[in-house]
Amino acid sequence: GESVGLHLPTLSVQEGDNSIINCAYSNSASDYFIWYKQESGKGPQFIIDIRSNMDKRQGQRVTVLLNKTVKHLSLQIAATQPGDSAVYFCAEKTTGRRALTFGSGTRLQVQP
Amino acid sequence: GAGVSQSPSNKVTEKGKDVELRCDPISGHTALYWYRQSLGQGLEFLIYFQGNSAPDKSGLPSDRFSAERTGGSVSTLTIQRTQQEDSAVYLCASSQGWGAGEKLFFGSGTQLSVL
Repeated sequence: GESVGLHLPTLSVQEGDNSIINCAYSNSASDYFIWYKQESGKGPQFIIDIRSNMDKRQGQRVTVLLNKTVKHLSLQIAATQPGDSAVYFCAEKTTGRRALTFGSGTRLQVQP
Repeated sequence: GAGVSQSPSNKVTEKGKDVELRCDPISGHTALYWYRQSLGQGLEFLIYFQGNSAPDKSGLPSDRFSAERTGGSVSTLTIQRTQQEDSAVYLCASSQGWGAGEKLFFGSGTQLSVL
């Protein structure tokens, strides 16, 4: 069956460093990808999304890279701040399916 | 309201009792989703409503789970004869709807604890 998963369950970085969170997916038909941030006690919050006809998209301090050849997705956070500490989820969707499929999450810990 | 609202925020119940969880989506959003999140896990899709279309119930884990959406707005997720394995955070999300953007806006969830 299809799956969306993450390479690292926990990532610890120093404040000011760049962070890279990785995600692998198995469904080659996936055509939409999205990253969410979830802080303790809150629901997931949208960060950035990308469609399969793109390989890079930038937001404010965040960049998502998509490599369809190896079915890999990454989220890059520039100049990581303590407020970035959270669990990050990647999710994918395929045209024709109605729901996002989520990975299991990576916890980002930012050390001051 | 400005965001997705869920109630209650916490619910403790005894095994075998029924529970109802409520979701009030963002005004104007035609799509509504229920997900379940077990401790330390990702989000598990439960059910999806889109306008007046028949709901996609493919993620409901058993016939003890049901959901309805009245008037195209508020939704209620009902779990009958709760079991300890039902303990999780139940998250509701809404979006502008099929073809108009898949960006989901989530509520803060209901933490369900079944004793």
